[in-house]
This record gives sequence, structure tokens and C-alpha cells, in this order.
Amino acid sequence: DAKTTQPNSMESNEEEPVHLPCNHSTISGTDYIHWYRQLPSQGPEYVIHGLTSNVNNRMASLAIAEDRKSSTLILHRATLRDAAVYYCILRDTASKLTFGTGTRLQVTL
Amino acid sequence: DGGITQSPKYLFRKEGQNVTLSCEQNLNHDAMYWYRQDPGQGLRLIYYSQIVNDFQKGDIAEGYSVSREKNESFPLTVTSAQKNPTAFYLCASSISRQRHNSPLHFGNGTRLTVT
Repeated sequence: DAKTTQPNSMESNEEEPVHLPCNHSTISGTDYIHWYRQLPSQGPEYVIHGLTSNVNNRMASLAIAEDRKSSTLILHRATLRDAAVYYCILRDTASKLTFGTGTRLQVTL
Repeated sequence: DGGITQSPKYLFRKEGQNVTLSCEQNLNHDAMYWYRQDPGQGLRLIYYSQIVNDFQKGDIAEGYSVSREKNESFPLTVTSAQKNPTAFYLCASSISRQRHNSPLHFGNGTRLTVT
């Protein structure tokens, strides 16, 4: 399975943009990049996914490097409710959907 | 509203007993998954199923068993052979495991404590 690398933790001030990086240097051509987030004692929640082009939805934006070896999840204005663990995973038809330890995002006033 | 229901939210068992965790989805998804999460850790795949009456072992299947008799249900049994069963168990589903652009939908988990 292709693996991803994320920082253990990041901090942000409320109402500021947050850029959460993810490295996936062994990504294959058919892997989709998915992002999920998990609040304490809850199941992960889907955030966004993409293949090659940058993607936007109501929750976030996903910027994918041209060589696809890294991506960045962008929260345009962080709120306290965005404090969570964010997981970046690669998904293809053979993937067992391995979740690493993710990035714990802390948002402060 | 469609979704995934895991029950119960908290479960307590004595060592040596088998216990079954329920997972039901009304999303009409073909693929279902069971993950285990330990404190401060990521999710590890236990079992997954692509279709009714079919399932495959994940990375940590030892000490667990599953069944998929109906499309909407994928119960997980934690057997007495599982050496460290205390954990947070998460069930997920997706439209199809073959469609790798389809997101996973997760339940809110069952926290199992074995003493």
C-alpha cells in the first residue's frame, strides 16, 4: 500500500487559513487522495478527495502538486469546530485504506 | 437520513467471552469495513467485504470473525482469542470498493472494554 506522511500536530488561530500538508511520494497513477477528519470519540468524517486537479467543496480545498507526490488540505477560515485529527489517505482498488496517525489540528482563539 | 449505525456505543465484557458488535447501513453500499483504533493511534483494518456472502481479512484479522449475510449488515465478533480486545471499533461503508473515488462513510463507533 502506498503510504502517506503527515506532521503529528499543527496549531492555528481562529479565522485564519490552515494548510495541512501530506507527502505521498510513492503514489501510483490510479490512487485518489482522500482526506478525512475525526473528532474525539467519533468516527472519521469525509472531507474531500481528488486525483490530479485542485478541488473545492463547502468544507475545504485540496491542492495537489503537479507531480502528485504531495497535497495540501486548506481550511480557509479555521473555527474551533475544525479542531480534529486530519487523515490523508490514498485509495485505489487494491488499497486496504490504511490510516496513519494523522495531524492533530489545534485551533485557538 | 441514510447512514451507518453502530451499537452499542459502549460495551463491557469479561475476558474469555466472545462479543458481537453490530453495524447496519441503509446507504445501499456494497462495500463494508471494520477498523480498530487504539488511543492516539490511527485506524487499522480488521476485515472488509465487497459484497454479500464475501469478506476478506485486513491487516489485523486474528481473533476476529465477521459475516455478511445481508447487504446492510456486517457484524464483527471479537473472540476470546483476541489478546488485546479493548479498543474503539469503527465500521465504514462505501458504494463499492472498486470505485476508489467514492468516500467512506463511518459510524460513530463502539468502545469495547474487556476486563
